[in-house]
Amino acid sequence: NAGVTQTPKFRILKIGQSMTLQCTQDMNHNYMYWYRQDPGMGLKLIYYSVGAGITDKGEVPNGYNVSRSTTEDFPLRLELAAPSQTSVYFCASSYGTSEDEQFFGPGTRLTVL
Amino acid sequence: GENVEQHPSTLSVQEGDSAVIKCTYSDSASNYFPWYKQELGKGPQLIIDIRSNVGEKKDQRIAVTLNKTAKHFSLHITETQPEDSAVYFCAASITPGTYKYIFGTGTRLKVLA
Repeated sequence: NAGVTQTPKFRILKIGQSMTLQCTQDMNHNYMYWYRQDPGMGLKLIYYSVGAGITDKGEVPNGYNVSRSTTEDFPLRLELAAPSQTSVYFCASSYGTSEDEQFFGPGTRLTVL
Repeated sequence: GENVEQHPSTLSVQEGDSAVIKCTYSDSASNYFPWYKQELGKGPQLIIDIRSNVGEKKDQRIAVTLNKTAKHFSLHITETQPEDSAVYFCAASITPGTYKYIFGTGTRLKVLA
């Protein structure tokens, strides 16, 4: 199993550009999550999904969109990149409840200039 | 809103000594408390967790204690080794069934050889 994979690893965007961060898991997990990690801070939940076709907002959803058309994939879309979105983005997945281990991908480091 | 405070933010110990990291949570309904280790350039990885019906859990050199009355939980690492150097995050589940965690801000542990 590859676990949770994320692409790209690094990206530099100009203000106003858009991009999609890709996330795929091969563990047949129902739940998937997107977090951002700012320096010296913990992980903040952006969006999460409890199954294909079902998504919901986390703590910091503004400026992002998600979709979940399959169990495996959970892409994160930035429409109009802003410097405040400079961060490291982690995708995670878990089998079921809030008491299940969340498995994290390696992260995408995004810089918006 | 829900909050998890984590201390200290940095911790340096001599190899072989013990390290203790403490967290305090605010949501009295939290019932699951995982600890994650994040090595440089990688995503967080679960190292130990504890549920609210247990006061202590141990796995080789690491242990976690939970005091539900005081809303405190702590990570204890004994006989530290250089490979224990990493950033450690605590987390608390938010109201059971919401599939979400609140993360602490992290502790950078350095084990000096």
